[in-house]
Amino acid sequence: NAGVTQTPKFQVLKTGQSMTLQCAQDMNHNSMYWYRQDPGMGLRLIYYSASEGTTDKGEVPNGYNVSRLNKREFSLRLESAAPSQTSVYFCASGGLATDTQYFGPGTRLTVL
Amino acid sequence: EDKVVQSPLSLVVHEGDTVTLNCSYEVTNFRSLLWYKQEKKAPTFLFMLTSSGIEKKSGRLSSILDKKELFSILNITATQTGDSAVYLCAPYSGTYKYIFGTGTRLKVLA
Repeated sequence: NAGVTQTPKFQVLKTGQSMTLQCAQDMNHNSMYWYRQDPGMGLRLIYYSASEGTTDKGEVPNGYNVSRLNKREFSLRLESAAPSQTSVYFCASGGLATDTQYFGPGTRLTVL
Repeated sequence: EDKVVQSPLSLVVHEGDTVTLNCSYEVTNFRSLLWYKQEKKAPTFLFMLTSSGIEKKSGRLSSILDKKELFSILNITATQTGDSAVYLCAPYSGTYKYIFGTGTRLKVLA
């Protein structure tokens, strides 16, 4: 039982490049989330998916797209990376019967 | 606008000390409050609080919620160096949006 997994762990991009961050959970959770964490800013919600087939914007969605591929997988795409997107990205999932979220190990992204 | 304030921002103590971390919040349609511990990686879940005045305990950690005064505290007794981390609180309104504080950075010296 791996919980929430994310790939890659680290990534360096040049401005304008694109990439997709992958997230998968094996806890049969309905909801999944993407956050970014910057120094002094706390965790900010980018997008979430309440259930398979639905996605909604969070606090900071600009410059990102998401896909809820199936119940297990939720990906985050940067179409044209910018230095302002340098951050640590966390994926999380949560079940219906609890308010608790469980986090993946994070992806440290640097955009030059 | 929903907001959460954690205090103190940082704290340095010696092993064996007791610490109290504070989380004040203003959240529309409050439903629960979560505490997480974050070392150099992902936040790990500590407690979920939904009712006022009911203490939750896990070993040396305990937490309580006051829904009237809109705050929660996290206590750690007999601190150890392994308790060094950033502690995050996150009130939740039940609409898939958790409001995370910026955290309290705790450093425990041997």
